[in-house]
Amino acid sequence: ELKVEQNPLFLSMQEGKNYTIYCNYSTTSDRLYWYRQDPGKSLESLFVLLSNGAVKQEGRLMASLDTKARLSTLHITAAVHDLSATYFCAVVHNNNAGNMLTFGGGTRLMVKP
Amino acid sequence: GAVVSQHPSWVICKSGTSVKIECRSLDFQATTMFWYRQFPKQSLMLMATSNEGSKATYEQGVEKDKFLINHASLTLSTLTVTSAHPEDSSFYICSARKAGVGGSPLHFGNGTRLTVT
Repeated sequence: ELKVEQNPLFLSMQEGKNYTIYCNYSTTSDRLYWYRQDPGKSLESLFVLLSNGAVKQEGRLMASLDTKARLSTLHITAAVHDLSATYFCAVVHNNNAGNMLTFGGGTRLMVKP
Repeated sequence: GAVVSQHPSWVICKSGTSVKIECRSLDFQATTMFWYRQFPKQSLMLMATSNEGSKATYEQGVEKDKFLINHASLTLSTLTVTSAHPEDSSFYICSARKAGVGGSPLHFGNGTRLTVT
């Protein structure tokens, strides 16, 4: 059974600071997603990482993937209040029904002005 | 493109009644749709995988007779919560994958907040 663990689960940080969210997963996968969720809303896709060493950046967020270590990181640079949300990583794996996503527990990020 | 519409966005129902939630892919065909449930401040948990024209595959611990899934067309899957109870109150989210593209990303609906009184 695939397990996806995120840490930290909760992060409170000051504007302008940097921080990294970690996502570990337990079995081989060739695709990992990062999503953002605002309170009461659905998921917004941020990044899809397809190969070992993949790095993607969008604004103040940068995601990377190390498939050998089964680790992905989401790095926040110079945080701003608008980044406050819950961030989920999700790993693709195959079960009897085909490819499916398993989500990490989420990281609630609160950026204080 | 790749819009997934979920309806209703919120619903309040009385205990014992049934509620149907629709998930539509508006501008693409989806052979596979997924239904997730999210309790407050928790992650998304996959309930079932819905394949067009065949029976849904339910995750362990999800009662198939309680959560009825129908995927009758390439653009519509429905989840019916039968005989709802307060513990079924949750945020239900569907997602869909484009037909014929096995590696395509999933597109998520906006979710349905169900409150059972």
